[in-house]
Amino acid sequence: DAKTTQPTSMDCAEGRAANLPCNHSTISGNEYVYWYRQIHSQGPQYIIHGLKNNETNEMASLIITEDRKSSTLILPHATLRDTAVYYCTVERDSSYKLIFGSGTRLLVRP
Amino acid sequence: DTAVSQTPKYLVTQMGNDKSIKCEQNLGHDTMYWYKQDSKKFLKIMFSYNNKELIINETVPNRFSPKSPDKAHLNLHINSLELGDSAVYFCASSRPAGGRAGELFFGEGSRLTVL
Repeated sequence: DAKTTQPTSMDCAEGRAANLPCNHSTISGNEYVYWYRQIHSQGPQYIIHGLKNNETNEMASLIITEDRKSSTLILPHATLRDTAVYYCTVERDSSYKLIFGSGTRLLVRP
Repeated sequence: DTAVSQTPKYLVTQMGNDKSIKCEQNLGHDTMYWYKQDSKKFLKIMFSYNNKELIINETVPNRFSPKSPDKAHLNLHINSLELGDSAVYFCASSRPAGGRAGELFFGEGSRLTVL
């Protein structure tokens, strides 16, 4: 299973875009990239996922590089409520297993 | 209505005891999971059931026994509790599609403290 590497922590100003990088250089062709976040001891919350193409939903955008070795989660207008630990994870097709890394602690500053 | 609910939220017990954590989902999903989050915040999958059938068992000690009486419930029973079992246990469910787990919906977690 592919491993993911993320910065330990990041911060951004409220209202600005938060760009959270993730390295998954050992990803294989049929592994999807998922992003989840965990707000202070709550259960993890799904944000977005993708395989090759960039994806956007009401929460965020996911940019996956052409070689698929890295991706960036973009929160376009971060709010204080976006302060959380963000996990980038991958899932091999048909495995049903999400392998979570250590995540990035994002602090949104007022 | 809570989509994935776990009970109890907190559990403090002595080493050697046996305890259970219950999980119920009202999303109509076919697949349920147990994840363990340790003190360093790493989330590790333990078990997964699909339609009451065990599909993932991640080298968890056999003191841990999951039981799925029906698709909406996945309980976790732990025998002979050890200090290292102290963690937050998360239940999750999903509706797999195209051979993938799909979006996982997590419960709020059950914090187990073994003294």
